[in-house]
Amino acid sequence: GAVVSQHPSWVICKSGTSVKIECRSLDFQATTMFWYRQFPKQSLMLMATSNEGSKATYEQGVEKDKFLINHASLTLSTLTVTSAHPEDSSFYICSATLAAGLTGELFFGEGSRLTVL
Amino acid sequence: GQQVMQIPQYQHVQEGEDFTTYCNSSTTLSNIQWYKQRPGGHPVFLIQLVKSGEVKKQKRLTFQFGEAKKNSSLHITATQTTDVGTYFCAGLYAGTYKYIFGTGTRLKVLA
Repeated sequence: GAVVSQHPSWVICKSGTSVKIECRSLDFQATTMFWYRQFPKQSLMLMATSNEGSKATYEQGVEKDKFLINHASLTLSTLTVTSAHPEDSSFYICSATLAAGLTGELFFGEGSRLTVL
Repeated sequence: GQQVMQIPQYQHVQEGEDFTTYCNSSTTLSNIQWYKQRPGGHPVFLIQLVKSGEVKKQKRLTFQFGEAKKNSSLHITATQTTDVGTYFCAGLYAGTYKYIFGTGTRLKVLA
């Protein structure tokens, strides 16, 4: 199957700093990627849809100035948590699909665990 | 908004026992997918169901899509310790491209 890689796996930062998380499709081109947030023992909450070459589409309640998404190429999307605070600590995970209509199997990255001190 | 609920939230079974998780949507779905997430891992795709009343099997796993396309189930026969993890359904609503993940069912299998 297709491979999606996320980096870093773990990151610890001080309150007020910004953190960038990368999501790469290693063996396919992904015009669209999805970013999720997952709290411990809870479901995946869709944060935004990342579109190559255009602005991301954010879900209701997700601050776009707080969670900056850039999809600069067909294989890379980045999520930057700006001015991070302890409440931003979470597991962030991306996914991509091969299906042209975006309705096929989702391939997930390994996830990035963010801890803000 | 659209919500996909799963029951039970947790399930502990003895190895060899069967397990079922149920997924329910308040409105009709276009299709539904099932994923498994091992502790500390990321979700891995299991199956996609599209047709009303569809039933698919993968070895010990049986997936079902309701006639009204509002509910689905995953049944595992004779659980093994390797079945441990959280099972999520993800529903796709007509006219959208975003999958809404269910609340998940966490399965523990006792040896």
